[in-house]
Amino acid sequence: AQSVSQHNHHVILSEAASLELGCNYSYGGTVNLFWYVQYPGQHLQLLLKYFSGDPLVKGIKGFEAEFIKSKFSFNLRKPSVQWSDTAEYFCAVNAQGNNRLAFGKGNQVVVIP
Amino acid sequence: DAMVIQNPRYQVTQFGKPVTLSCSQTLNHNVMYWYQQKSSQAPKLLFHYYDKDFNNEADTPDNFQSRRPNTSFCFLDIRSPGLGDAAMYLCATSLEGYGPGEQYFGPGTRLTVT
Repeated sequence: AQSVSQHNHHVILSEAASLELGCNYSYGGTVNLFWYVQYPGQHLQLLLKYFSGDPLVKGIKGFEAEFIKSKFSFNLRKPSVQWSDTAEYFCAVNAQGNNRLAFGKGNQVVVIP
Repeated sequence: DAMVIQNPRYQVTQFGKPVTLSCSQTLNHNVMYWYQQKSSQAPKLLFHYYDKDFNNEADTPDNFQSRRPNTSFCFLDIRSPGLGDAAMYLCATSLEGYGPGEQYFGPGTRLTVT
């Protein structure tokens, strides 16, 4: 079964700072990779996804993530955060052909105005 | 807008009193999932329906059951809630067989057990 690791559960940064959240997974086969975001009081929303093609994926709200197969990683980045990016961010993985998603424990990101 | 709807948003039940949470979707997705999410933790998959086929996770307690009477609706039944079952319950859907199968989540039902 696949598993997902996210480090630095709590991240605090100032507006305009750059953000990078790490995500590593353990699974030897072909995977689909996702980042979900949960804004305060709202439901989980898909931020971006990777399943094939260009390993650099661009999502909504200026976020991007890079799939590095050799490192089993799918790190999320945003060059300049805004206060509205305060949220919890979850990395998730499923094996291709398997609809079960494995979630990481999440990163609680707080952006200070 | 097509969406995943959960009712109620907040549910309070007594220890040992059966409770049912509901989920409906207008996406016409063939897979529906139930997750349990406790504070500061990742969502934990309880079970899912692929069409009418029920798939239980190995570590889901027998106390948790589910029903899917049709494509649009799915229910989570907790037969005898304990204090440890207090959590946010998330319903999600996906369309399998047409891509990576990203999941679409409802707003959740926060269950309190007194």
